Amino acid sequence: AQTVTQSQPEMSVQEAETVTLSCTYDTSESDYYLFWYKQPPSRQMILVIRQEAYKQQNATENRFSVNFQKAAKSFSLKISDSQLGDAAMYFCAYGVTSGSRLTFGEGTQLTVNP
Amino acid sequence: DTGVSQNPRHKITKRGQNVTFRCDPISEHNRLYWYRQTLGQGPEFLTYFQNEAQLEKSRLLSDRFSAERPKGSFSTLEIQRTEQGDSAMYLCASRSGGGFSTDTQYFGPGTRLTVL
Repeated sequence: AQTVTQSQPEMSVQEAETVTLSCTYDTSESDYYLFWYKQPPSRQMILVIRQEAYKQQNATENRFSVNFQKAAKSFSLKISDSQLGDAAMYFCAYGVTSGSRLTFGEGTQLTVNP
Repeated sequence: DTGVSQNPRHKITKRGQNVTFRCDPISEHNRLYWYRQTLGQGPEFLTYFQNEAQLEKSRLLSDRFSAERPKGSFSTLEIQRTEQGDSAMYLCASRSGGGFSTDTQYFGPGTRLTVL
């Protein structure tokens, strides 16, 4: 069974600084997707960034980028130039390409200090 | 607004009562998912539809839970004889089928259930 682990229950960062959130996963599949979702206090889950396992290039979306290490089964999220609006719960998630479900980690609560 | 919508947003019920939630996916999305999220945890998969067919159910989905998607558009999730342990946020997500570029699930705002 696939599992996703986020070892940092809470993280904090100063506004304008950079923070990295960690995620590891376990799977026997060779083809899959990885996601980072953001859940602000209003609780609507928003997609931040996604990575296809067959792509070696790390995904980037504006201030958000990932460090995808397939052999190590690691998928960390880097947030650059942190903003107050980045404060939220961040979930790492795994999905099999042809499968149906997402498996989520436990989440990391990010606080951004002014 | 063309996002995923869920109703009601909040539901308070007494133990033993039945409740039903509704999810309206993004209009062109043929795949629909239900997840349950308890406080401080990540969402857990409950069930999945492709069009009107329910293709997968989690072991979390006990026989008190039933989900339908009768016309392949909106979906309902019913919980019979609610228990206090059913208190959670119920999330719905949808995505379109086929092609790598469409493998992203878009989530609704959720229905928060409180069982007294």
